[in-house]
Amino acid sequence: DSGVTQTPKHLITATGQRVTLRCSPRSGDLSVYWYQQSLDQGLQFLIQYYNGEERAKGNILERFSAQQFPDLHSELNLSSLELGDSALYFCASSVVGGGKDTQYFGPGTRLTVL
Amino acid sequence: GNSVTQMEGPVTLSEEAFLTINCTYTATGYPSLFWYVQYPGEGLQLLLKATKADDKGSNKGFEATYRKETTSFHLEKGSVQVSDSAVYFCALPGRQGGSEKLVFGKGTKLTVNP
Repeated sequence: DSGVTQTPKHLITATGQRVTLRCSPRSGDLSVYWYQQSLDQGLQFLIQYYNGEERAKGNILERFSAQQFPDLHSELNLSSLELGDSALYFCASSVVGGGKDTQYFGPGTRLTVL
Repeated sequence: GNSVTQMEGPVTLSEEAFLTINCTYTATGYPSLFWYVQYPGEGLQLLLKATKADDKGSNKGFEATYRKETTSFHLEKGSVQVSDSAVYFCALPGRQGGSEKLVFGKGTKLTVNP
């Protein structure tokens, strides 16, 4: 158990809908990362937050957004869903987000868009 | 930016066979290097890491040595078990602005037969 929790574990929804994925980092970790894992793209970085502030964006679509709350949990919002958004979404956390930090991953949320 | 190239599988071995999964990297400076493992139906788990040149990371019988001369971080295990069947990912930080998001290889699927 990494100490990172994600809910829900599975999510099935229809095209055009909006969903929210939730992540709670390990106790004491200030940095949260979101990654998407799909068969064709592999593991792709989406976005990082550090202590409530956005630090970096990766290959995140405009339809997607995220935030980190004062208690440090984070939410990833996916809207106007398309079939191609079906993937496994991981959250990871680290202490501060520096180059020598280790990122610990949650179990992921499997999103299926029908 | 930083990148990693990992041998693609699938790799199929018999129990007690020797395992090597090759990983080479391109990086500015000397970032930490990681191996993560994803068991069927589960999330990413940190397997081992090395933070500087000539460091050897080890865990659960797996080892990898940070080789600066050959820019490699090959994963090895002397005697694999059926329970080692999983997908293995080599990763390193890919600096982006102030972020140290992880850049992953494409993954190597290992199947160990009894």
